[in-house]
Amino acid sequence: EAGVVQSPRYKIIEKKQPVAFWCNPISGHNTLYWYLQNLGQGPELLIRYENEEAVDDSQLPKDRFSAERLKGVDSTLKIQPAELGDSAVYLCASSLVGSGRGEQYFGPGTRLTVT
Amino acid sequence: GQSLEQPSEVTAVEGAIVQINCTYQTSGFYGLSWYQQHDGGAPTFLSYNALDGLEETGRFSSFLSRSDSYGYLLLQELQMKDSASYFCAVNFGNEKLTFGTGTRLTIIP
Repeated sequence: EAGVVQSPRYKIIEKKQPVAFWCNPISGHNTLYWYLQNLGQGPELLIRYENEEAVDDSQLPKDRFSAERLKGVDSTLKIQPAELGDSAVYLCASSLVGSGRGEQYFGPGTRLTVT
Repeated sequence: GQSLEQPSEVTAVEGAIVQINCTYQTSGFYGLSWYQQHDGGAPTFLSYNALDGLEETGRFSSFLSRSDSYGYLLLQELQMKDSASYFCAVNFGNEKLTFGTGTRLTIIP
């Protein structure tokens, strides 16, 4: 079974430029998450989708961040414009609602460096 | 608010046993999960406690005490490959997780 796929793995951009990250979850997983992880810290939830609906986006900085999950499968996270403080690893995860075990499957992440 | 505190770093000897603690200040959650993350890798699920007590999965065990707002991950027969970061996370239902600060475990020969 294929795991969560993310691309690109690494991205270096200059501040004020736009950037987009792509995620393909595990087949059949209806819930998808985007997290931000700073060095030495735990993942912090940005947005959670159930199918194509964003059910929790309270931590998403909506002035510069946007996300979409068309057809309830793939998802894209965008930052426009990027700031120096956005440098971090962006993780995508998926799960089955109702598994009841707090078990999420994470992708390898995209390491973003803003210069 | 919700906060989960873990020791930032722990060092242990290969073949020994180590306990990684997690204390939290939150309520109304369904359970406590544990994840492992190697440098540059993805977090991977290790264990879950829905009820108080000990859950055992091979060399890994996890414990939860809601009355003490405390949990821990116990790793036995430590191997060099266990060097990684470990995160506790509370499950608020529908698999929504809030992660702890993380513990970097270093195994020495």
